Amino acid sequence: GNSVTQMEGPVTLSEEAFLTINCTYTATGYPSLFWYVQYPGEGLQLLLKATKADDKGSNKGFEATYRKETTSFHLEKGSVQVSDSAVYFCALFDTNAGKSTFGDGTTLTVKP
Amino acid sequence: EAEVAQSPRYKITEKSQAVAFWCDPISGHATLYWYRQILGQGPELLVQFQDESVVDDSQLPKDRFSAERLKGVDSTLKIQPAELGDSAMYLCASSLVPGAYEQYFGPGTRLTVT
Repeated sequence: GNSVTQMEGPVTLSEEAFLTINCTYTATGYPSLFWYVQYPGEGLQLLLKATKADDKGSNKGFEATYRKETTSFHLEKGSVQVSDSAVYFCALFDTNAGKSTFGDGTTLTVKP
Repeated sequence: EAEVAQSPRYKITEKSQAVAFWCDPISGHATLYWYRQILGQGPELLVQFQDESVVDDSQLPKDRFSAERLKGVDSTLKIQPAELGDSAMYLCASSLVPGAYEQYFGPGTRLTVT
């Protein structure tokens, strides 16, 4: 079956530091890949997506590149802010099954 | 901006009691999902509707959980009887067309079973 493995947290950074959250996946076929963000007490919000190999998704300064050869989709941001503190979920969408599979989430805390 | 609505936001119930959650998807979204999110984990799909029909309920514990979407719009998820292990966040999401990967999530219902 499909699975998503994320870097374990929590991750604590100082403001303006560089962020990397690792994500690798196992899937049959060619899934679409996503990063979602969840702020305290809220549902998940789509942060960025990539639908095929070598695509780069980007939004709000965050980026991730779909790497088929390493089955990875690592999230990066050059300079984090306190407001980026949240839980980040990597996910894949299996277009054949019409289903999403989520990682367990990585909690990011950014300190001023 | 259109949003997925859920109620209640928080629910505390005693084990063996019945509990129900409601979801109103974004207008026009044909596909509706119910997920369970245990603290520290990612969401796990419980049931997926296409209009009023269930297309996937393979992970729904059918001895105690039920879900309906009678008119193909809003949906209700019920647990009867609730067990301690049901304590979790229950998330509803919707998407415009079948198989669309872009899902829009509601704020969730936090259930605590005592």
